[in-house]
Amino acid sequence: DGGITQSPKYLFRKEGQNVTLSCEQNLNHDAMYWYRQDPGQGLRLIYYSQIVNDFQKGDIAEGYSVSREKKESFPLTVTSAQKNPTAFYLCASSIGAGGQETQYFGPGTRLLVL
Amino acid sequence: QQQVKQSPQSLIVQKGGISIINCAYENTAFDYFPWYQQFPGKGPALLIAIRPDVSEKKEGRFTISFNKSAKQFSLHIMDSQPGDSATYFCAARNFGNEKLTFGTGTRLTIIP
Repeated sequence: DGGITQSPKYLFRKEGQNVTLSCEQNLNHDAMYWYRQDPGQGLRLIYYSQIVNDFQKGDIAEGYSVSREKKESFPLTVTSAQKNPTAFYLCASSIGAGGQETQYFGPGTRLLVL
Repeated sequence: QQQVKQSPQSLIVQKGGISIINCAYENTAFDYFPWYQQFPGKGPALLIAIRPDVSEKKEGRFTISFNKSAKQFSLHIMDSQPGDSATYFCAARNFGNEKLTFGTGTRLTIIP
């Protein structure tokens, strides 16, 4: 059953703590993305990766970090530098770069600050 | 210039009616315009998409109308059903760029 999995579904962060959100895909897609969704603001791109071992900043990368060591995995770390981390985080993937391929989204992780 | 402006923010339509959601953009380099549907607590899913070389695309009850000169596109849902109640996002992609720019979303509620 192909798709994108995100874990955990809910995540709680304490002050000064770094947390990592998992994103795995078995679609054999080259490109992966992280979005942040806030009420009334749509989806904003945090980071994206078009190929293993390479990634680029999106529109709101400050306070976040990513890695792309494997094709199927693109974890997102929310660092303590992100002062307003409460949001719904969505991971997506697409076949490749340069075209107009559909982005497929995971079910999301809701991050809450304690 | 990268913005996609979406309206209305929320929409209530009676069952069987037509739901219309509008989007406008400025960047003439946008060349692919998808619409995504999102149910509460879930990730968005592609609903329908259009390229600017056509003015309309229809898939079942869902139609995209595209006006290149006005830089506007809209989603029409015919015979709206309660199961269509969701948040809808328009988006636009720059040619050769994998980045999507999303509108702010429209929460659609279909009432009996």
